Amino acid sequence: AQSVSQHNHHVILSEAASLELGCNYSYGGTVNLFWYVQYPGQHLQLLLKYFSGDPLVKGIKGFEAEFIKSKFSFNLRKPSVQWSDTAEYFCAPELVFGAGTILRVKS
Amino acid sequence: GAGVSQSPSNKVTEKGKDVELRCDPISGHTALYWYRQSLGQGLEFLIYFQGNSAPDKSGLPSDRFSAERTGGSVSTLTIQRTQQEDSAVYLCASSLGGTAFEAFFGQGTRLTVV
Repeated sequence: AQSVSQHNHHVILSEAASLELGCNYSYGGTVNLFWYVQYPGQHLQLLLKYFSGDPLVKGIKGFEAEFIKSKFSFNLRKPSVQWSDTAEYFCAPELVFGAGTILRVKS
Repeated sequence: GAGVSQSPSNKVTEKGKDVELRCDPISGHTALYWYRQSLGQGLEFLIYFQGNSAPDKSGLPSDRFSAERTGGSVSTLTIQRTQQEDSAVYLCASSLGGTAFEAFFGQGTRLTVV
C-alpha cells in the first residue's frame, strides 16, 4: 500500500535556526510530490511541488526541498526560520498526506 | 468565487443524525477531493472525483459515508447515522485535474458529533 512518513511530529526551533523536515514515501514509478503548509487559523496552501527536472525545488518564503529518488525522500529545508514559520507542514506525495509536522519557532 | 468554498463552516449534530457537507470548487477545476483532518492524524483521504470518471471511493471509512458531485461542479459529502468518532474537520480541495496539478483547499467544515 502507498504510504508516506513524516519523521517528526513536533519540532521547536529558535529564530534563525536551520530547519529540515523529513519525508519518505513508498511509491514506485513517477511520483508528483508536494509540501503543504497550514498556518494557524488558515487553510492549507501549497509550499512547493516537484514533478520532474531539477530535484532541488524552491518554494515560497525561502523554503526548498530535495527529491532523492534512491531514498524515496522529499525533505523540506529552510536555512533560517522565522517566528512567522510557525505552522503545520504536510508532505503529500500524489496528494496523499502525511501526519504532518507541527513547527513552533520561538522568537 | 475565487477559491474553494465549503459550507457550513461549523456543524454540531447529535449522534445518529445524518449530515451533509457542501463543497463549491474553483470554476473550471475538474478534480475534487475530500479529506478528513483529525487532531494528530494528518489528512485522511476520503474520495476523489475526476471529470466524468467513476470516483475513487477507496478512502471512505464506512458505508455510512457517501459523496456525490453534481454536474461536475458542486459536491456533497453525506454522513449517515453520525458517530462521535466522525468528529473532525472535513476538507475539500479542487485542482485542474489529477496529481500533476496543485490542489487548492477550502477552509473546511468542523463537524462535532455530541
